[in-house]
Amino acid sequence: NAGVTQTPKFRILKIGQSMTLQCAQDMNHNYMYWYRQDPGMGLKLIYYSVGAGITDKGEVPNGYNVSRSTTEDFPLRLELAAPSQTSVYFCASSDNSYNSPLHFGNGTRLTVT
Amino acid sequence: RKEVEQDPGPFNVPEGATVAFNCTYSNSASQSFFWYRQDCRKEPKLLMSVYSSGNEDGRFTAQLNRASQYISLLIRDSKLSDSATYLCVVNRGNQGGKLIFGQGTELSVKP
Repeated sequence: NAGVTQTPKFRILKIGQSMTLQCAQDMNHNYMYWYRQDPGMGLKLIYYSVGAGITDKGEVPNGYNVSRSTTEDFPLRLELAAPSQTSVYFCASSDNSYNSPLHFGNGTRLTVT
Repeated sequence: RKEVEQDPGPFNVPEGATVAFNCTYSNSASQSFFWYRQDCRKEPKLLMSVYSSGNEDGRFTAQLNRASQYISLLIRDSKLSDSATYLCVVNRGNQGGKLIFGQGTELSVKP
């Protein structure tokens, strides 16, 4: 039972570099989410998707892009990394948005210096 | 005003104590409510969903008050292993797919 798999677990980026955080789920869930969590804070929604080909902005989308070409995968792209993007990133999925709980990946710890 | 707001922590309680957390939400169209537990910045894990009639799971009781737009979590007979951050999660009922987290309330249970 893989559930939600995130890669990499850790990454250090220099300012201005770009990278893609990978997220895959094997539960055939329609809904997928990207959150970030800064130290001492709750999770902020970056982007979410209600199905393949459909994405929408969350609370803090600036500086990020997503795509959803398949049900399984929901990568998060950082184009020009900034120190303000230093955070822990969590990907999650659910089989619908209203009544189902979120299943989280283990997180990616990103530092931008 | 934050969309989902929780009691500021931390809560420091002795083992065996009863502790209650509150969470308020601003979107009256919200339809689903959850409590999650997070240990040491690991991934959050579902503790329990919150239903209109209130629900109980062992030592944990969740209540929903739609009129006042708040939910609560009561933990009875606290254990050392209950030490964690408790996160309130609310969906934006009129914007399907947006599940919004509160900032979390930290609980520390001492011997």
